[in-house]
Amino acid sequence: AQTVTQSQPEMSVQEAETVTLSCTYDTSENNYYLFWYKQPPSRQMILVIRQEAYKQQNATENRFSVNFQKAAKSFSLKISDSQLGDTAMYFCAFNTGNQFYFGTGTSLTVIP
Amino acid sequence: NAGVMQNPRHLVRRRGQEARLRCSPMKGHSHVYWYRQLPEEGLKFMVYLQKENIIDESGMPKERFSAEFPKEGPSILRIQQVVRGDSAAYFCASSPTLAGGYEQYFGPGTRLTVT
Repeated sequence: AQTVTQSQPEMSVQEAETVTLSCTYDTSENNYYLFWYKQPPSRQMILVIRQEAYKQQNATENRFSVNFQKAAKSFSLKISDSQLGDTAMYFCAFNTGNQFYFGTGTSLTVIP
Repeated sequence: NAGVMQNPRHLVRRRGQEARLRCSPMKGHSHVYWYRQLPEEGLKFMVYLQKENIIDESGMPKERFSAEFPKEGPSILRIQQVVRGDSAAYFCASSPTLAGGYEQYFGPGTRLTVT
């Protein structure tokens, strides 16, 4: 079975601090892609960062970076210098071809 | 390049009525996905379509739900005889030719309320 687990339903961080959101997944596939999506109060889903499973180098996108541990099937998201606009639901997902599998999300609140 | 469009944004239906949700993918995208998001939950995959073909409908309830993506026009998610449990946000996403490594671009969602 293909599953995504986000074990932190809610998190908070002080503005300008760093926070890490955890994600683990399970798949028997060897080739797949991993994503973090952000869903702000507007409910629009926005891609934050993407990682190809065959690449060992962790993806980075400005203040967002991932720690991808393929053997452990772990894909955490680190947000540096947190900003108020980062307040949102964050969903971890992976794609093996036809389907995307999403976690249940982590609600992140950035505190001024 | 306009993004993924969904309409209506909000839809209210009484129990037993039909709900039709529309999705226009991004220009050049031929793959469409529908998801349902219940309150306080993540996205649940429903169906994956290409033009005139249903590729994967393993997430669709067996009854009352159907989806299509005709050669011309938007993709339609149809829910017949709606019940209160159908109240949710329904998101459509599209991707380019190959679904593999490409991200999905999401529409703003349709919030269905069944009274």
